[in-house]
Amino acid sequence: DTGVSQDPRHKITKRGQNVTFRCDPISEHNRLYWYRQTLGQGPEFLTYFQNEAQLEKSRLLSDRFSAERPKGSFSTLEIQRTEQGDSAMYLCASSPLTRLAGDTGELFFGEGSRLTVL
Amino acid sequence: DAKTTQPNSMESNEEEPVHLPCNHSTISGTDYIHWYRQLPSQGPEYVIHGLTSNVNNRMASLAIAEDRKSSTLILHRATLRDAAVYYCILPENTGNQFYFGTGTSLTVIP
Repeated sequence: DTGVSQDPRHKITKRGQNVTFRCDPISEHNRLYWYRQTLGQGPEFLTYFQNEAQLEKSRLLSDRFSAERPKGSFSTLEIQRTEQGDSAMYLCASSPLTRLAGDTGELFFGEGSRLTVL
Repeated sequence: DAKTTQPNSMESNEEEPVHLPCNHSTISGTDYIHWYRQLPSQGPEYVIHGLTSNVNNRMASLAIAEDRKSSTLILHRATLRDAAVYYCILPENTGNQFYFGTGTSLTVIP
């Protein structure tokens, strides 16, 4: 399978613990995105990487959240001191660079990592 | 945040065309119009996107109004597998932030 891969698919943790999610984008996709989705809502943008550079961050990304893409390939999203409000589906997407300015093109999403904080 | 307006839900009979509307009256000249859909328990899936001209692909057609303040996603022949939440999106800021909103939940009736 050559799609976007996310791990783990499900994570149950106790409040206050740290969790880390990994995303493996489609090979050679320069752009990588993290989104969060709660029940009944659409996905919310968290952050965006172009290669290894984190270019955009949402105000939703509090200081307990950190994302990295050290070699411009896979990415990790860490949540420190989890809270019950962090329970959500965390989605990763990737896309290739496009030639047209302003055209993000197609985003390819993974199936997500579901976090439950008890 | 919301730059698009969609109906919360729509129904269609199987094998009939479906027209999913989207209003985006504050669209700028450089905003692309994107459509994604999300099936239950899956990540969003790209459907189509366009700037000014109508667009067609194997999944759907995108009809963009002449003033670009609205668009319509057309599924030519709805199947049960098309039952999903459909999101109309104008990427924000540099074009890399997609605001999904709550979309239109499409029910396909056999």
